[in-house]
Amino acid sequence: DAGVTQSPTHLIKTRGQQVTLRCSPKSGHDTVSWYQQALGQGPQFIFQYYEEEERQRGNFPDRFSGHQFPNYSSELNVNALLLGDSALYLCASRQLAGANEQFFGPGTRLTVL
Amino acid sequence: DAKTTQPTSMDCAEGRAANLPCNHSTISGNEYVYWYRQIHSQGPQYIIHGLKNNETNEMASLIITEDRKSSTLILPHATLRDTAVYYCIVSEGKGAQKLVFGQGTRLTINP
Repeated sequence: DAGVTQSPTHLIKTRGQQVTLRCSPKSGHDTVSWYQQALGQGPQFIFQYYEEEERQRGNFPDRFSGHQFPNYSSELNVNALLLGDSALYLCASRQLAGANEQFFGPGTRLTVL
Repeated sequence: DAKTTQPTSMDCAEGRAANLPCNHSTISGNEYVYWYRQIHSQGPQYIIHGLKNNETNEMASLIITEDRKSSTLILPHATLRDTAVYYCIVSEGKGAQKLVFGQGTRLTINP
C-alpha cells in the first residue's frame, strides 16, 4: 500500500499564474481533505471532498478550488497566485465510515515568486 | 481557531518518558482528542485518539482527565526519532472531521 501520494513534490510559480496539485488517497479511502501549511505554522484546513462534492470548507478565498474524481483522487487548483500562497500543501485521506484517523501525504512545496 | 493550548517547546532525554500536556477546556461532549506529530518537512502522522477513557497503542498512551478539559500524551521510551512537532486537536469523531491545528509542541529528544 503506497499510502497517500501527492504530485509534484516541489513547484515554483510566479504571481498571477495558476497551479494544480494532485493527490491519490490511501487504498480504501473515499474522503480527501486539503491543508495549507505556511512556514512555522500548523496546517490550515482548506476543504474536504467526498463523493465528488465539496463537503466542508475552511476560510479560504474562491481562488482555491478543488475536484474529486470517481477513483477518489483529488486536485487542488489555485488561481491568480499571490506571494502569500507560498506554502506546503498537504492532502489527507480517510474512510468516511471507517476509523477516525486521517492519513497525510508528504505534501507539495509551492513557491510563488 | 484551535481549541487547544500546548506548550511551545519541550525537551526530553533519550530513553525517558516524554509527557506532552494539552488543555482543551471548551471541548464538547461529542469531540474526540486527537494527537498527530510532524517530523520536519513530512506530512503529519496520526498517533492516537480518545474520547473519555485512557488509550494505549504501539506508539503512545493518552491520558484524558475525568472532566475532559485536559490530556497528556505519553511516549514511554523516547528515541531521537521522536523529535517532532506534536499537535493536540479536538474534533468530532465521525463525519467531515475537519482538523484544526494549533502551533503544537516542538519536542526535542536529547541523547
